[in-house]
Amino acid sequence: GAGVSQSPSNKVTEKGKDVELRCDPISGHTALYWYRQSLGQGLEFLIYFQGNSAPDKSGLPSDRFSAERTGGSVSTLTIQRTQQEDSAVYLCASSWGQGEFNEQFFGPGTRLTVL
Amino acid sequence: AQSVSQHNHHVILSEAASLELGCNYSYGGTVNLFWYVQYPGQHLQLLLKYFSGDPLVKGIKGFEAEFIKSKFSFNLRKPSVQWSDTAEYFCAVIMFSGGYNKLIFGAGTRLAVHP
Repeated sequence: GAGVSQSPSNKVTEKGKDVELRCDPISGHTALYWYRQSLGQGLEFLIYFQGNSAPDKSGLPSDRFSAERTGGSVSTLTIQRTQQEDSAVYLCASSWGQGEFNEQFFGPGTRLTVL
Repeated sequence: AQSVSQHNHHVILSEAASLELGCNYSYGGTVNLFWYVQYPGQHLQLLLKYFSGDPLVKGIKGFEAEFIKSKFSFNLRKPSVQWSDTAEYFCAVIMFSGGYNKLIFGAGTRLAVHP
């Protein structure tokens, strides 16, 4: 597609439920990133994929968070047993490669609300 | 720890006023610097970037930023703001280590421009 897309755009869930967030990167982009944007916190790096592998998972806040990428394209971020502090906007970005000059293009985000 | 600080969380200006948003980073290695903007209801998008060369960088919509290495700063400026500049502005630094990029964001500055 023309840009990075994410679904759903909004997700409201009850505490304790699992949620899956999806990211479709720009076609041909090999690098994919997940960030979390919390109110007043800026953007927090969660995880990075190069192809289907994730060299750096250090930003995932807890073991309830996991992510995978298949076919070098679509990625899903899964949050198990959601907590209220997981409420945030989850942003996905992609870039052509991992060189330092490769601009990251961002999707519109998924707003997650945990009740 | 590597971090990016934005000094102002909220800025309110009248149209035609001059703007300067502060950004400082803490990282001793090679850095690439960015300013991103998020207009209400829109994606995060790149405003300008610095990789090397002239430390005064021109971006879109009349914005510019100056990289001052000795001060670890990359402040954003615009001589005369417009109502349409109302948005949230994020400073970011790419820290290239371990073979990949990690974008570290500041907490953001919300700018409101009154007509």
